[in-house]
Amino acid sequence: ETGVTQTPRHLVMGMTNKKSLKCEQHLGHNAMYWYKQSAKKPLELMFVYNFKEQTENNSVPSRFSPECPNSSHLFLHLHTLQPEDSALYLCASSQGSRAPNTEAFFGQGTRLTVV
Amino acid sequence: AQTVTQSQPEMSVQEAETVTLSCTYDTSESDYYLFWYKQPPSRQMILVIRQEAYKQQNATENRFSVNFQKAAKSFSLKISDSQLGDAAMYFCAYRDYGGATNKLIFGTGTLLAVQP
Repeated sequence: ETGVTQTPRHLVMGMTNKKSLKCEQHLGHNAMYWYKQSAKKPLELMFVYNFKEQTENNSVPSRFSPECPNSSHLFLHLHTLQPEDSALYLCASSQGSRAPNTEAFFGQGTRLTVV
Repeated sequence: AQTVTQSQPEMSVQEAETVTLSCTYDTSESDYYLFWYKQPPSRQMILVIRQEAYKQQNATENRFSVNFQKAAKSFSLKISDSQLGDAAMYFCAYRDYGGATNKLIFGTGTLLAVQP
């Protein structure tokens, strides 16, 4: 347990469904991240939030919509996904851009399957 | 743009032996950080070791050490006295110093098997 909790652990959804992934950290971190992990590909950074402000959107399709209501919580809202969006979605947190040498702490991920 | 390359998709080592995982990266920056993360079957990414680019001394954490060659942009991980619990996917990662987004850039990973 690293202090970053993701729910749900597994999610199966149809292409017309709307669902949300949740990430929560109580480590006092100011930066939170969404990564997509697909087989045989590098982890893809999707979004970065620093102090609740989005500082990075790595050309992610609009069917993925992040939300960061406070420094401890991060959501990823999903709608009209495609089968190729099936992957492990990892949330991470870190101290923030003023402490680049500190490690990022990861959650256990949500295994998403789009049918 | 920075990139991280891990050229070994899979590696295998005998228990108690030593194994080295390779990583190269590309950047035009002079100050940055490098990390090795471990991802066991539980899927939790765990930091193994970190290296600051401005430090010439190679980082060491118990049985884990790195060989950091800044000019060659190489950052390999050596695992000594391998244990069954070391079996996992290992990711090399890069982070700019002072970057606005503080993002980590990962390689594709090396799957390490430990044979008893």
